[in-house]
Amino acid sequence: SQQGEEDPQALSIQEGENATMNCSYKTSINNLQWYRQNSGRGLVHLILIRSNEREKHSGRLRVTLDTSKKSSSLLITASRAADTASYFCARMDSSYKLIFGSGTRLLVRP
Amino acid sequence: DTEVTQTPKHLVMGMTNKKSLKCEQHMGHRAMYWYKQKAKKPPELMFVYSYEKLSINESVPSRFSPECPNSSLLNLHLHALQPEDSALYLCASSQLPPGGGNTEAFFGQGTRLTVV
Repeated sequence: SQQGEEDPQALSIQEGENATMNCSYKTSINNLQWYRQNSGRGLVHLILIRSNEREKHSGRLRVTLDTSKKSSSLLITASRAADTASYFCARMDSSYKLIFGSGTRLLVRP
Repeated sequence: DTEVTQTPKHLVMGMTNKKSLKCEQHMGHRAMYWYKQKAKKPPELMFVYSYEKLSINESVPSRFSPECPNSSLLNLHLHALQPEDSALYLCASSQLPPGGGNTEAFFGQGTRLTVV
């Protein structure tokens, strides 16, 4: 299987709460990327973290990367109903393969 | 222009038909990708083109035939598909070195394919 693992598979939270999603992978990476997908259409890039970086912020998003554990996490703070979507991590390796994790379906209740 | 444009948006085809999906980008990206996505599943990589050459084929059946006529265009030719090939087909592009290689991919909105 191409996929890495993400957990949880589904997450339901109240608006204003924080959401944390985790991603694990097995092979070496150039970078780890996070994407959002609404209603089964195109994916929107959220944030990219390089293999030599440990943490990155973008607005309400915070991504961490632990290459020794081959894992990453995405934190969305102060969630909004509009954050409801599927979130995928994707690892890029040295051959520019971009492989997606299994995804987390996030529901933010108003 | 940071768009990847895919046509058509929807396609219904019979198992004996031949059709093509098209993807276009004008960002100067030299890596282009095809993905297949089934409902409630992650995108699965099918093909990668680097500098207009096929660099990765993820053991995709020969009824799917990719083509990269130039650095801006990517096609996916479809022939004798099966109903289980019905899915959302996504195209993406990203930069390669020099000037890239550690940057994000941009995705099109996809073609929703139904094989009847």
